[in-house]
Amino acid sequence: GDSVTQMEGPVTLSEEAFLTINCTYTATGYPSLFWYVQYPGEGLQLLLKATKADDKGSNKGFEATYRKETTSFHLEKGSVQVSDSAVYFCALSGQGGSEKLVFGKGTKLTVNP
Amino acid sequence: GAVVSQHPSRVICKSGTSVKIECRSLDFQATTMFWYRQFPKQSLMLMATSNEGSKATYEQGVEKDKFLINHASLTLSTLTVTSAHPEDSSFYICSATTSGAEAYNEQFFGPGTRLTVL
Repeated sequence: GDSVTQMEGPVTLSEEAFLTINCTYTATGYPSLFWYVQYPGEGLQLLLKATKADDKGSNKGFEATYRKETTSFHLEKGSVQVSDSAVYFCALSGQGGSEKLVFGKGTKLTVNP
Repeated sequence: GAVVSQHPSRVICKSGTSVKIECRSLDFQATTMFWYRQFPKQSLMLMATSNEGSKATYEQGVEKDKFLINHASLTLSTLTVTSAHPEDSSFYICSATTSGAEAYNEQFFGPGTRLTVL
């Protein structure tokens, strides 16, 4: 079945450092790919998404590019802030607009001043 | 907009009792709601999908008689864990979506409910 693998955390960075959180997937067909963020005490929020190969999702300085050849959707940010401290989840939904989401295990990011 | 609440946020119960968790969409009508379960350091695992006014669709391996889901209105779904046991202790998260023209309908997530069964 479909699955998502993301890098183990926790990740600790200093403010203004570069961030990469790796995500790879296994799926049949052409899934849509997502990054969700969960701030402390809050529900998951959609951070960005990409629905076809070579699409780049971006939001709040975060970017991820849908790479079908490497089945990857790595999350990057050039300069992290303390307010970016959260848990980040990579996810996919199946081909055909299926609403079912398959999540990775999540990566906890802590940014220190 | 698109806020989903869950109640309670934490619950502790004795083994053998039943626990009800509520999921509400506060500012939109949720045609579909999802219930997930998350173990420590694990992924969110989809338990079931419910559409308003119809029976929930459970994922393989999820006991429908143990995890009762009711989606009686467009703003409320409930998950009842019946005869809870310690192995049911987990973090339960709901999400809601509304119908639209896009191929993918964004899910809006609640903050989760921590269940501890003693």
